[in-house]
Amino acid sequence: AQKVTQAQTEISVVEKEDVTLDCVYETRDTTYYLFWYKQPPSGELVFLIRRNSFDEQNEISGRYSWNFQKSTSSFNFTITASQVVDSAVYFCALNTPSGGYNKLIFGAGTRLAVHP
Amino acid sequence: DARVTQTPRDKVTEMGQEVTMRCQPILGHNTVFWYRQTMMQGLELLAYFRNRAPLDDSGMPKDRFSAEMPDATLATLKIQPSEPRDSAVYFCASGTGTGEADTQYFGPGTRLTVL
Repeated sequence: AQKVTQAQTEISVVEKEDVTLDCVYETRDTTYYLFWYKQPPSGELVFLIRRNSFDEQNEISGRYSWNFQKSTSSFNFTITASQVVDSAVYFCALNTPSGGYNKLIFGAGTRLAVHP
Repeated sequence: DARVTQTPRDKVTEMGQEVTMRCQPILGHNTVFWYRQTMMQGLELLAYFRNRAPLDDSGMPKDRFSAEMPDATLATLKIQPSEPRDSAVYFCASGTGTGEADTQYFGPGTRLTVL
C-alpha cells in the first residue's frame, strides 16, 4: 500500500526561524517519485520539487532545502530564515508504478504559520 | 508564465442543480487530472486523461459525475444532480505526459458550495 504521513498538523514560528516539515512515505515499489507542493491562503497548489527514488542527493533552492533519506523513508523539507510569505499548507506527495504513475498520493498537509 | 486556468473560481448552487467546471490545461500538456479537496478526505484523484482519452476515473462517483475533454484545450467536470456532500474545492492539473511520472501543475481550483 502507498501512504504519505505528515505528522505535523500545524507549526507556528517567528520570522527568521528555521523550520523543518516532516514527510514519511510507504511503498513497496523500488522506483517512485516524491513531490512537495505549497498551498498558500489564496488556495492554489504550487509545485516546489520532484525527486525520484534513485536520486538521494539533497537539494537546495534559495531558502528551501530537501533531505531525502531512503533508509528512513523520509523526504523532509526545511525552510531557512522563514518569512511571513512562507505561511501556507505544505503537502508531500508520492507517485508510484503501482498507482500507474497517474495518482499523486498526498499527505494530510502541514499548516505553517510564520509570524512577524 | 504558463498556467492551468479554471472557471468558475467560485460556485454556489442548490441541491439538485447541474454544475459544470471547466479547465484549460497548459498549452502542450497532454495529461489532465481532476482532484477534489475536502477537510475530511484531503486531496483525492477523481479522473485522469491522457491525449484526451479517459484512463482512470475510478475515484469518481459514476452516478452523478462525468468528466470529458471535448478538445485538447478544454476539460470539463460535470455534476448532475449536485448534492451538499459535493461541496469541496475541485482542482484541475496538467502534465507533459513524458517520462514515468508527470509533474502535475495545478490550477487555482473551483470552490463549490451546494446548499
